[in-house]
Amino acid sequence: AQSVAQPEDQVNVAEGNPLTVKCTYSVSGNPYLFWYVQYPNRGLQFLLKYITGDNLVKGSYGFEAEFNKSQTSFHLKKPSALVSDSALYFCAVRGLSGGSYIPTFGRGTSLIVHP
Amino acid sequence: EAGVAQSPRYKIIEKRQSVAFWCNPISGHATLYWYQQILGQGPKLLIQFQNNGVVDDSQLPKDRFSAERLKGVDSTLKIQPAKLEDSAVYLCASSAGLAGGAETQYFGPGTRLLVL
Repeated sequence: AQSVAQPEDQVNVAEGNPLTVKCTYSVSGNPYLFWYVQYPNRGLQFLLKYITGDNLVKGSYGFEAEFNKSQTSFHLKKPSALVSDSALYFCAVRGLSGGSYIPTFGRGTSLIVHP
Repeated sequence: EAGVAQSPRYKIIEKRQSVAFWCNPISGHATLYWYQQILGQGPKLLIQFQNNGVVDDSQLPKDRFSAERLKGVDSTLKIQPAKLEDSAVYLCASSAGLAGGAETQYFGPGTRLLVL
């Protein structure tokens, strides 16, 4: 069975500092990996995804993520955090199960950016 | 382009009552998903439709939950009878293609259910 782990419930960072939100996964075959963000009282919004090719993926709002196959990780990064980045971040994987690609989400990491 | 629409936004019911949620996906999107998101957890897939057929419903509690997507467009999710542990946000999402792995999902605002 496929799974996603987000080991940190909360990440605190000062505005202007780099941030990293961690994600590791387990899936059969080649993974499709995603990051979504959830702002209070709003639905999830797509940030970026890894399909194949370059291990560094760039997405919305200056975020990027690095795919590491040997470590089965897909950490989300941003060089300089903004207070407006404060939100709940979810990592997701889609792997082949029973002939279909089924999505599995992590439990989420709350990012708090302090002024 | 209009996003994924869900209604109602909030619902409060007593245990053993029934409730239904409605979702209208982005126009032309072939795949529709229903998720349950319990407070403090990530979304859990309940059911995935491709057009009007079920792709996966392995995590749907079929003794009380049902879902349909007639005509391959909008969808309803029903709970009958509701239990206290069903209190959660129910998210609907859609994606353009035919349930491929690289598909980006677009989420609606969710329906917050409280079972008393």
